[in-house]
Amino acid sequence: SYVLTQPPSVSVAPGKTARVTCGEINTGSESVHWYQQKPGQAPMLLIYSDSDRPSGIPERFSGSNSGNTATLTISRVEAGDEADYYCQVWDSTRDHYVFGTGTKVTVL
Amino acid sequence: EVQLVESGGGLVQPGGSLRLSCAASGFTSSDAWMNWVRQAPGKGLQWVGRIKSKTYGETTDYAEPVKGRFTISRDDSKNMVFLQMNSLKIEDTAVYFCSTPAFSASDFTGWGQGTLVTVSA
Repeated sequence: SYVLTQPPSVSVAPGKTARVTCGEINTGSESVHWYQQKPGQAPMLLIYSDSDRPSGIPERFSGSNSGNTATLTISRVEAGDEADYYCQVWDSTRDHYVFGTGTKVTVL
Repeated sequence: EVQLVESGGGLVQPGGSLRLSCAASGFTSSDAWMNWVRQAPGKGLQWVGRIKSKTYGETTDYAEPVKGRFTISRDDSKNMVFLQMNSLKIEDTAVYFCSTPAFSASDFTGWGQGTLVTVSA
């Protein structure tokens, strides 16, 4: 089955840059979306269509997609960014949705 | 503003059934494709299934682990979406969220707060 692999954890000091990767993205998957989830809360859409931000999402959050691997970049990390992050794609071959394995970002 | 409110969760024995509801407001839900996503305790997100809008024939699709056991339906007159869960297994224990896209056909923009389903003897 289709698995989007993310690193289980990423640690970063405040003010630094965190990068979360998401791969292997199959041919036939369209854009990559990213979600932030804090404990006890529903996920929140952070980035859609590889690199677009919904209104209200700080510019510190950005996304890129090289085709095979997508990356979420969090610049100037703040304590409030500590959360779980998930990538997600639509698998057009099966018309199913796939979430990544999730990454816990810890702010040191 | 998109608002989704799930209800119907609870404790059920293995093999039992449960019906979850999702009440939608703040948008034209009859035009929306609606999804169910679940999260087992301490685990990641898992897509459960989707129902398309009436325009697209209210077609449903399901993840393999729930196919044949779960059924998604909708009542657009009441702005509601339902998840009928039959033959429940212990591994179905999770918080169940309903969600809807906004920016593309494949994102999950609107989310409810979730409802907990516990399958246990």
